[in-house]
Amino acid sequence: GAVVSQHPSRVICKSGTSVKIECRSLDFQATTMFWYRQFPKQSLMLMATSNEGSKATYEQGVEKDKFLINHASLTLSTLTVTSAHPEDSSFYICSATVHGEREKLFFGSGTQLSVL
Amino acid sequence: AQTVTQSQPEMSVQEAETVTLSCTYDTSENNYYLFWYKQPPSRQMILVIRQEAYKQQNATENRFSVNFQKAAKSFSLKISDSQLGDTAMYFCALDNYGQNFVFGPGTRLSVLP
Repeated sequence: GAVVSQHPSRVICKSGTSVKIECRSLDFQATTMFWYRQFPKQSLMLMATSNEGSKATYEQGVEKDKFLINHASLTLSTLTVTSAHPEDSSFYICSATVHGEREKLFFGSGTQLSVL
Repeated sequence: AQTVTQSQPEMSVQEAETVTLSCTYDTSENNYYLFWYKQPPSRQMILVIRQEAYKQQNATENRFSVNFQKAAKSFSLKISDSQLGDTAMYFCALDNYGQNFVFGPGTRLSVLP
């Protein structure tokens, strides 16, 4: 199956710094990528949807200035957590799909962010 | 609004036995996809099985099968011959064409030796 690479897998940062997470589709062109947040023992919560070349669509309650999403190419989307605080600590997962093939959704391996 | 409900937070099954995980959903659309995803301790999301709503035949993938009841908006997952490697969180998910995925709260399945 298709591969989505997400890195880093784990990052620890100090409060107030910014962290960038990358999500790459390795063997297909991802027209749409999704970013999720998952708290321990909970389900995935969609944060935003990004389409290549356009601005991301954020879910209600997600601060777009806090979580910057860029999808500049068909193989790369990035999530930047700006001025991170301890409450931003969470597991972040990306997924990617091709336009018109929504039944094929491929997930990255996730990034555990810990903000001290 | 789309919602997905999984009423069993935790379940356990003996190795080699059969277990069924429940899922109900709500949508006003007629065409959509339903999915079961597995998330083992590694936290990698793995697609177990998917069902297209317009297909009446229940999807099957080796030991995994679904019971799709469209009128009742029910989509249960049956795991036959359970294996230790099936221990994981299982998420039911709904995708209305063009709208976003909605995941259920998950069921933690433990397969006991």
